Amino acid sequence: NAGVTQTPKFRVLKTGQSMTLLCAQDMNHEYMYWYRQDPGMGLRLIHYSVGEGTTAKGEVPDGYNVSRLKKQNFLLGLESAAPSQTSVYFCASTHGGIKASGGATQYFGPGTRLTVL
Amino acid sequence: SQQGEEDPQALSIQEGENATMNCSYKTSINNLQWYRQNSGRGLVHLILIRSNEREKHSGRLRVTLDTSKKSSSLLITASRAADTASYFCATDPRHIIQGAQKLVFGQGTRLTINP
Repeated sequence: NAGVTQTPKFRVLKTGQSMTLLCAQDMNHEYMYWYRQDPGMGLRLIHYSVGEGTTAKGEVPDGYNVSRLKKQNFLLGLESAAPSQTSVYFCASTHGGIKASGGATQYFGPGTRLTVL
Repeated sequence: SQQGEEDPQALSIQEGENATMNCSYKTSINNLQWYRQNSGRGLVHLILIRSNEREKHSGRLRVTLDTSKKSSSLLITASRAADTASYFCATDPRHIIQGAQKLVFGQGTRLTINP
């Protein structure tokens, strides 16, 4: 099993450009998450999904859109990148429903380092 | 908003010593989890402790939870150079067990083990 994979690993954008980050998991997890991590900070939740075709806003959703067309994939889009979106982006997945009712381990991808000039 | 606050922000000890990191949080929780992040890598889950548990062990790791004080501690015994990493606590602030688990992470403790 590959676990959680993210592409690309690195990207440099100019202000106003758009891009899509791809997250894929092969563990048949129901829930998927996108976080951002800024220097010296913990992770902040951008958007999450509880299943195919569903998405919801997290703590810092502005400037981002997401889609979950397939259970194994969760896409994060930046329509018009801004320097404030320079960060490291992490995707995570976990079981949902009754398996997560008492708490569940989140499995993280290796991250995408994004720089917006 | 940062639910969990780790203390200290940085810790440097000699190999073989024990390392203790603390986490405080603000609201009631369903569970609290500890994660490790090596430099330039993703987070790796270490331990999950539920709100009705007081202590859990996993190898050289010991986690305690005091819900009355809204605090947790992570103890790493007999530290090794490979334990050098950042450690994050994450809380699941669901009061009622429903909906998606949305963890709230603290800012982390940077642990350095000196050989």
